[in-house]
Amino acid sequence: QKEVEQNSGPLSVPEGAIASLNCTYSDRGSQSFFWYRQYSGKSPELIMFIYSNGDKEDGRFTAQLNKASQYVSLLIRDSQPSDSATYLCAVLSGGYNKLIFGAGTRLAVHP
Amino acid sequence: EAQVTQNPRYLITVTGKKLTVTCSQNMNHEYMSWYRQDPGLGLRQIYYSMNVEVTDKGDVPEGYKVSRKEKRNFPLILESPSPNQTSLYFCASSLSKGNEQYFGPGTRLTVT
Repeated sequence: QKEVEQNSGPLSVPEGAIASLNCTYSDRGSQSFFWYRQYSGKSPELIMFIYSNGDKEDGRFTAQLNKASQYVSLLIRDSQPSDSATYLCAVLSGGYNKLIFGAGTRLAVHP
Repeated sequence: EAQVTQNPRYLITVTGKKLTVTCSQNMNHEYMSWYRQDPGLGLRQIYYSMNVEVTDKGDVPEGYKVSRKEKRNFPLILESPSPNQTSLYFCASSLSKGNEQYFGPGTRLTVT
């Protein structure tokens, strides 16, 4: 079992719809969770981080964390073509010394 | 401008020819890290450094070396590159180990 798992996609959604990206992790001791966006050929950039169970909203983005289910998700409301990218879920390991990344989910928002 | 820089951005080399990829950050960050990114495998950590003179192996350290003599610099050294080290490499830094990591622009390495 991979430490951080994501569906590779592509996830295709129409412009204006809600995109839902999911991530599961195996280390129950994990405390910090990050979502990065990566455009093709570019470096990852942080969108959201979340530490506590529940929802955290920032503009069109909402991160959701459920530690009991070892599940973290990212919702993108009013999706735009410019949101088309690969979204990487990252989990800070229980030992807190390294960030473990999922392989990423490719999102395609079509007009 | 706060940033992480890497050089070179692109490199084509031959098997066995030693090379160094430089990484520098101007944010006074303590934590620095090197990743490689391969299709379908995501980002995998090669080495990380908690502070000057403190380095440790990540998930895929074989064939790589690092050093952290100054806080701002964290070079990645391939003593004898092999074709399986062909990859996209990212350097990253953060204030401390649990904080947001800022990534450099990446170095695309091809070993023939």
